[in-house]
Amino acid sequence: DQQVKQNSPSLSVQEGRISILNCDYTNSMFDYFLWYKKYPAEGPTFLISISSIKDKNEDGRFTVFLNKSAKHLSLHIVPSQPGDSAVYFCAARAMEYGNKLVFGAGTILRVKS
Amino acid sequence: DSGVTQTPKHLITATGQRVTLRCSPRSGDLSVYWYQQSLDQGLQFLIQYYNGEERAKGNILERFSAQQFPDLHSELNLSSLELGDSALYFCASSRLAGGAGAYEQYFGPGTRLTVT
Repeated sequence: DQQVKQNSPSLSVQEGRISILNCDYTNSMFDYFLWYKKYPAEGPTFLISISSIKDKNEDGRFTVFLNKSAKHLSLHIVPSQPGDSAVYFCAARAMEYGNKLVFGAGTILRVKS
Repeated sequence: DSGVTQTPKHLITATGQRVTLRCSPRSGDLSVYWYQQSLDQGLQFLIQYYNGEERAKGNILERFSAQQFPDLHSELNLSSLELGDSALYFCASSRLAGGAGAYEQYFGPGTRLTVT
């Protein structure tokens, strides 16, 4: 049972434009959501997070939006840069499960210069 | 550099063998997590330790076991290896086991295990 889904395996965006990565979840008990970025041959790097009591969190070029009623979150990167090309993982946690994270399958972002 | 170290980086072994993967958490982090990433899959949570004690268990096979030592480093033991165990194994650490401020986990570079 895939509780966190990233339906787009890949996304290609022009440098300077907005990148929007999407994530859907099914478990209404999730109370915290995170985005990780992963380059080849490296471990995932924490990018940004959002609590379920908020609907938006911004950090520089990265903004995460949460729509609880739709069980949907998205990561916006503005402006996109070639160095943003990586695999992006959405992750969620539910307090009842402790601090374990449930990850989506990832979306490959390619930013073309 | 996340501050989490994992050894070895690569491991090639035969079916039926046993291997040990090692992880050192970030300085000050008490909680260690192990994840498995198979080909084209997301990361699957295996097990969590907090200050030496098992805290949470995920889809970890009975052939796999882990422990966290007094110096907080952790080892993941994989035995009776099968071809399907070939994957990337990541270790992550965080300050706490749960509650406020514990959510961000910092990942090591991973160990790539190939079973032939």
